[in-house]
Amino acid sequence: NAGVTQTPKFQVLKTGQSMTLQCAQDMNHEYMSWYRQDPGMGLRLIHYSVGAGITDQGEVPNGYNVSRSTTEDFPLRLLSAAPSQTSVYFCASSYSRRVGGRLDTQYFGPGTRLTVL
Amino acid sequence: TQLLEQSPQFLSIQEGENLTVYCNSSSVFSSLQWYRQEPGEGPVLLVTVVTGGEVKKLKRLTFQFGDARKDSSLHITAAQPGDTGLYLCAGGDPNDYKLSFGAGTTVTVRA
Repeated sequence: NAGVTQTPKFQVLKTGQSMTLQCAQDMNHEYMSWYRQDPGMGLRLIHYSVGAGITDQGEVPNGYNVSRSTTEDFPLRLLSAAPSQTSVYFCASSYSRRVGGRLDTQYFGPGTRLTVL
Repeated sequence: TQLLEQSPQFLSIQEGENLTVYCNSSSVFSSLQWYRQEPGEGPVLLVTVVTGGEVKKLKRLTFQFGDARKDSSLHITAAQPGDTGLYLCAGGDPNDYKLSFGAGTTVTVRA
């Protein structure tokens, strides 16, 4: 299993450009999510999906769109990049919401480092 | 959003020393997790705790969940350079899937 893969690893954009960050998992996980990580702020949830065709907003969804057409893929779209979106983006997946009442293990990808000029 | 505060923000110690990292909140969590993240990589789960007062050991790492399920600590005994990394706590309610992360503690163990 490759686990959770993310592409690209690095990206530089100009303000106003759009792009899609790719995320795929081969573990047949039901739940997938996108986080951004900024210095001193930890990981913040952008969007998440509980299954194919179902998505919902997290803590910081503005400026981002997602879709989930298959179980494996969960792309994140930046509509019009802004310098405030400079960050490291992580995709994560988990098999289920909970296992016997506890949070299930989240598996993270290696991240995409995005710079918006 | 449930806030998790981690302390200290940075910790630098000599190999062989012990260290403790704290994770505190004003909210009650039904479940709390600890992750370790190495530079250039995504976080990796170390442990999940559920029951108030629960203590879990993972080799030289000891995790404790507070009795009121509002706080947790991670203690490393005889730290090694391989323990270097960013330690993150995360709490949430399995019913709504949204996980809240602390800002993390950067641990550096010098050889």
